[in-house]
Amino acid sequence: QVQLQESGPGLVKPSEALSLTCTVSAGSTSSYYWSWIRQPPGKGLEWIGFIFYSGITNYNPSLKSRVTISVDTSKNYFSLRLTSVTAADTAVYYCARVPSRDGYPPYYFDFWGQGILVTVSS
Amino acid sequence: DIQMTQSPSSLSASVGDRVTITCRASQSISSSLNWYQQIPGKAPKLLISVASSLQSGVPSRFSGSGSGTDFTLTIVSLQPEDFATYYCQQSYNTPWTFGQGTRLEI
Repeated sequence: QVQLQESGPGLVKPSEALSLTCTVSAGSTSSYYWSWIRQPPGKGLEWIGFIFYSGITNYNPSLKSRVTISVDTSKNYFSLRLTSVTAADTAVYYCARVPSRDGYPPYYFDFWGQGILVTVSS
Repeated sequence: DIQMTQSPSSLSASVGDRVTITCRASQSISSSLNWYQQIPGKAPKLLISVASSLQSGVPSRFSGSGSGTDFTLTIVSLQPEDFATYYCQQSYNTPWTFGQGTRLEI
């Protein structure tokens, strides 16, 4: 079955950019939506945004000015870039799949990565 | 944004009990409601999509119902592995939003 794995630095300095990659195995990024979700320590889940395999993106307005999600269908991974980070961006970041081949509902997260803790600190 | 409110925030129960968790949306979301289970240190796991569709491999003791603004997740005959945090999530409109979670404790 599909497996997702996040990778990237676990420590980022304030004001710098956070960059993470999600590698998809036993599946292809050439279809479906691909999403990022985060969870601050001890808190709930926040949807960051998604990218459709065609390149169409949709971001949470609370982060929109700082977020970019991209996909490389030839290499089967998608990425998250979050700029100008602060301590409030410290969280476990998850990547997940939304199994909508045609772009239409229903939308839900069926496969998740294990998550990666990113700490923002000098 | 559509606000999702779960109740209760925490719940104590025993093995074999039946529990119900409620999720209320700030506006009608039709049936665009999903439920996830999260065990500490693990990624959330999809239990139910579209309000009541049980995912493959999820035990039948889990069930979901509701539409519009009010939804419920019911677990009958609680098992030890069910003690976790449960989240509802709406996918009716972006930004997709989650409830604050319900922690189910022994």
